[in-house]
Amino acid sequence: DIQMTQSPSSLSASVGDRVTITCRASQSISNYLNWFQQKPGKAPKSLIYGASSLQSGVPSRFSGSGSGTDFTLIISSLQPEDFATYYCQQSYSSPLTFGGGTKVEIK
Amino acid sequence: EVQLLESGGDLVQPGGSLRLSCAASGFTFNNYAMSWVRQAPGKGLEWVSAISGSGGRTYYADSVKGRFTISRDNSKNTLFLQMNSLRADDTAVYYCARGYIAAAGTEYWGQGVLVTVSS
Repeated sequence: DIQMTQSPSSLSASVGDRVTITCRASQSISNYLNWFQQKPGKAPKSLIYGASSLQSGVPSRFSGSGSGTDFTLIISSLQPEDFATYYCQQSYSSPLTFGGGTKVEIK
Repeated sequence: EVQLLESGGDLVQPGGSLRLSCAASGFTFNNYAMSWVRQAPGKGLEWVSAISGSGGRTYYADSVKGRFTISRDNSKNTLFLQMNSLRADDTAVYYCARGYIAAAGTEYWGQGVLVTVSS
């Protein structure tokens, strides 16, 4: 199975900050990397697919990059509604696997 | 608009069985693989099972293999998860999701349904 390692597991940031979350795969997954946002008590919401493609309706302050084994999610200017937990997911090979999550909290 | 609506969650005793359903709308159901993903209380996301669009291929996580069975009824746009021999560590919110191994992975998710295994 492909292991997905996210870092950090949590971070504190202020509104307006630039936030960077990284995800590393245990082997190459090309660009089959997806990012999800989850708020408490809610289902995960797809933000980015294919490493860098923004889902429809997702604000442009979210961006993704990377290929192979190393990937990054950037929130260019953190907004109040962005405080949530973020997960990466590889959809390159079975089984689907997720990173452990990054909780973004208010500083 | 893609909609996925799960049902069937409940409190069940260890060793018991439960069947989850997921009603899909807003897309051509048989064109897409479907997955179940679960989240134990306070924990991360764990993929459980998936099924191809035709229903001909199924996939399971090692943790549920031999106990859970995924199926679908394409005439009713409905996905199922039959869960047998339930254990306490199966306690989780179970999400139905569209997609599996593909460019966008599990792109759309239902709201989730809670399964509690406890005596």
